[in-house]
Amino acid sequence: ETGVTQTPRHLVMGMTNKKSLKCEQHLGHNAMYWYKQSAKKPLELMFVYNFKEQTENNSVPSRFSPECPNSSHLFLHLHTLQPEDSALYLCASSSMGANYGYTFGSGTRLTVV
Amino acid sequence: GQQVMQIPQYQHVQEGEDFTTYCNSSTTLSNIQWYKQRPGGHPVFLIQLVKSGEVKKQKRLTFQFGEAKKNSSLHITATQTTDVGTYFCAAPSSGGSYIPTFGRGTSLIVHP
Repeated sequence: ETGVTQTPRHLVMGMTNKKSLKCEQHLGHNAMYWYKQSAKKPLELMFVYNFKEQTENNSVPSRFSPECPNSSHLFLHLHTLQPEDSALYLCASSSMGANYGYTFGSGTRLTVV
Repeated sequence: GQQVMQIPQYQHVQEGEDFTTYCNSSTTLSNIQWYKQRPGGHPVFLIQLVKSGEVKKQKRLTFQFGEAKKNSSLHITATQTTDVGTYFCAAPSSGGSYIPTFGRGTSLIVHP
């Protein structure tokens, strides 16, 4: 375990479904992130939360909706996804600032059918 | 925004050979991080370099930050099969953001 727990590990959903990804960290970090990792593409930052306030949204389509109820929990709500949204979704946490590495969760492997 | 270019994309080596991956930027970097992702796994933070010309070692891994802070390298001496994976560099984008942008990674394949 990395200290950052993501559930579920695998998810298959239809394009009309609504599902949520969950991320939880108990490392005392105050920043949490959602990344998308597709085959043959670099890690893409999706959302950033500092002290549960969203500070970045990297032009992510509205069918992805993040929620951060507190500094330990992060959700990614999914609805009406497209097959090209199939990817590994990684949650990460860090202490805020430029001098700390990120701790990643094991990811959710999402397949949209 | 800031992009870090990593080369090579893939590297095949025989077990026991050395391996190096390079990360280059057109602008000066405030710091650079390195991560390793095993096949089927998630990125794991290895190290952060901050100072010009900095060299850090972790067992068989040597990390360097260029004097101009525009490039970095990761060198593995005498590779082992456990070194298999993709190595990413990451550096903050220009414009004051501290959040790192990841390179495309170098996938290391070690043949026994």
